Amino acid sequence: KAGVTQTPRYLIKTRGQQVTLSCSPISGHRSVSWYQQTPGQGLQFLFEYFSETQRNKGNFPGRFSGRQFSNSRSEMNVSTLELGDSALYLCASSLRPNRPSGTEAFFGQGTRLTVV
Amino acid sequence: SQQGEEDPQALSIQEGENATMNCSYKTSINNLQWYRQNSGRGLVHLILIRSNEREKHSGRLRVTLDTSKKSSSLLITASRAADTASYFCATDGDNQGGKLIFGQGTELSVKP
Repeated sequence: KAGVTQTPRYLIKTRGQQVTLSCSPISGHRSVSWYQQTPGQGLQFLFEYFSETQRNKGNFPGRFSGRQFSNSRSEMNVSTLELGDSALYLCASSLRPNRPSGTEAFFGQGTRLTVV
Repeated sequence: SQQGEEDPQALSIQEGENATMNCSYKTSINNLQWYRQNSGRGLVHLILIRSNEREKHSGRLRVTLDTSKKSSSLLITASRAADTASYFCATDGDNQGGKLIFGQGTELSVKP
C-alpha cells in the first residue's frame, strides 16, 4: 500500500508570493490533517479535513487555507508569504478523524518551504 | 499550545544500551502516540496506546501509560545506530477537537 505522498518536497518562494502544497493520503483514508514544523514552535496543527469538509482549524492567520477533494487528496495554500512561514509542512492521513477512540495518523515526508 | 512535555530533550547512548524517553501531558486523553523523525523528514508512526491500556510492546519498543500521573514513557531496548532520530509523543483527546498535540521531542543519538 502506498504511503502518504506530499509534493513538492522542496520549495523556495519569495516573500509576498503564494504557494500551494499537495497531499495524497493512503488509499481508503478519508481524513487529512496538516501540520507546520519549525525549530522554535515545534509541530503545530493547521487544519483537518474529512469528506471534503474542514473539521478543525488551528491558530493560524487566514493566509493559510486548505481544501479536500472528493478523492480525499488535499491541498493547502499560503498567500502573501512571510519569512516566518519557512517551515516543514507535514500532512497526515487516517481512516477517520481522531475520535472517539482514536486511530493512527500516518505522515508524509513533508514539504520543506523556504521563504526568501 | 504544547500538550506533551518530553524529557530529556537530548539523549546520547552507546549501541546496545537501552533508551528511555518520557512524556507528560496536561489534560485527559483518548490515546497517546509515539513518532520518530529522522533529520527533518516525515514522522514515522511507532505505536499508539489507548487511555485504558497501561503497557504496549512492539518489537524493541515498550510504551507505558500512567493516566493518573498524565505521563508516558517510551523504552527502546538494545539500541542501534539506526535508532538515532527525534522522538515525539502526541496526544489525542476529546478536548483537542480531533487534532494531535505534539511534545517538543527528544533527540536521541546512538553511537556505534
